[in-house]
Amino acid sequence: GAGVSQTPSNKVTEKGKYVELRCDPISGHTALYWYRQSLGQGPEFLIYFQGTGAADDSGLPNDRFFAVRPEGSVSTLKIQRTERGDSAVYLCASRYLAENTGELFFGEGSRLTVL
Amino acid sequence: GEDVEQSLFLSVREGDSSVINCTYTDSSSTYLYWYKQEPGAGLQLLTYIFSNMDMKQDQRLTVLLNKKDKHLSLRIADTQTGDSAIYFCAESRGSASKIIFGSGTRLSIRP
Repeated sequence: GAGVSQTPSNKVTEKGKYVELRCDPISGHTALYWYRQSLGQGPEFLIYFQGTGAADDSGLPNDRFFAVRPEGSVSTLKIQRTERGDSAVYLCASRYLAENTGELFFGEGSRLTVL
Repeated sequence: GEDVEQSLFLSVREGDSSVINCTYTDSSSTYLYWYKQEPGAGLQLLTYIFSNMDMKQDQRLTVLLNKKDKHLSLRIADTQTGDSAIYFCAESRGSASKIIFGSGTRLSIRP
């Protein structure tokens, strides 16, 4: 497709379980971002990649959260030992860094519910 | 640190102008953005302004930037029911940097 694709769109899991969320960015976009959005809040920055490497992971809340982008395209956000407070919509966005506007193109998000 | 603040709600009458305000703290901000989020849809960029500009106009949208006060505003002329959404102010230090978002202003339109 032409846009940023995220799977699954909904994930319900139990406290303590491991979760993976996948993002497929727009083809050719070199930068990929992960955000988390709780109800009534704005997107909270987690991590961003330039190519395969994490350029800034300062937003990851703790070491239970980890993200990879091994081939510089698809990225996976991994959450270990999930807690109820991890429940949120996880947003992925990508952009083509050569453009001056720096516009981020967002996916529709993966809604994570931890019971 | 980096922080972006907005008021949570705004209600305007259809046909009037809407003005959504935002303040930010990072004096190194280079790009300032307005994103729109409609129910069930992803965030979309509405408009942006470089920090060396004071104003940008794009059809019904006018962005004003007061860099000294770190204040950004979005004016929507002739507000329509289709403008109902949450509007997010955001800033970044450069095109290769993270983008920090405010908590959003929910715009509602009354007849």
